[in-house]
Amino acid sequence: RKEVEQDPGPFNVPEGATVAFNCTYSNSASQSFFWYRQDCRKEPKLLMSVYSSGNEDGRFTAQLNRASQYISLLIRDSKLSDSATYLCVAPDNNNDMRFGAGTRLTVKP
Amino acid sequence: DTGVSQDPRHKITKRGQNVTFRCDPISEHNRLYWYRQTLGQGPEFLTYFQNEAQLEKSRLLSDRFSAERPKGSFSTLEIQRTEQGDSAMYLCASSFGGTGNTIYFGEGSWLTVV
Repeated sequence: RKEVEQDPGPFNVPEGATVAFNCTYSNSASQSFFWYRQDCRKEPKLLMSVYSSGNEDGRFTAQLNRASQYISLLIRDSKLSDSATYLCVAPDNNNDMRFGAGTRLTVKP
Repeated sequence: DTGVSQDPRHKITKRGQNVTFRCDPISEHNRLYWYRQTLGQGPEFLTYFQNEAQLEKSRLLSDRFSAERPKGSFSTLEIQRTEQGDSAMYLCASSFGGTGNTIYFGEGSWLTVV
C-alpha cells in the first residue's frame, strides 16, 4: 500500500458543481495534513492545512477521518479557475512529508 | 522576493554530464527539502536538512546524487553522470520548525537530459 493515495481522477465537472476528492494515508500516528494545488508546470502551492477534524475556507472544506485514515477535499460552486491538480500531503512512517500522485480537476463552462 | 528561489530554472544537459542546482530557502526557515517530480506524478521526497544536518535521504537518492547545506542557509543538489531517467523537475522547499509545518516550494528547476 502506498503511503499516500489519492483518487486517480481526472475529474471533469461543470461550473457550479460540487466535487470531492479523497486521500488515504498509512501512518496512523499522523497529526497534520495538507492539500496543495498545482497548476501545470508550476510549483505546488498550499491550499489548506488539516490539523484536527477539519478546516473550511470559503468554497473549500477539508475533512479528516482518523478512524478510516483518510482526508477529503470538497470544492463547492466550482469555478473555471479551480482547474488544477490537487495534491494530498501526509507524514509517512518516518515522519517525512509525502505527496500523493495528485488528482486532476477540470472545470468546464 | 522573500520566497524560496531556485537556480537555474531550466537546464538541458548531455547524458553523462554533471549538473548542480541551488536553492535559497525562506530566510528564517530551518528545514530545507528536495523533491523530484515527473509529469503526472506528485513530488517524490529526496532528502531534507534541519539547519546544516542532512537528516533523511530517500532510497530514490542514488549514489550519483548528493545534497549539501554547508552553512544551514542555501543548499545545492548535484547529480553526477546524468542519465535520461533523471529528467524531471527538482523542487526545493523550506519550512520553519518540525514535521507538520507548512512547506513552501520554490518554482522548481527543470532538468532535461538528452
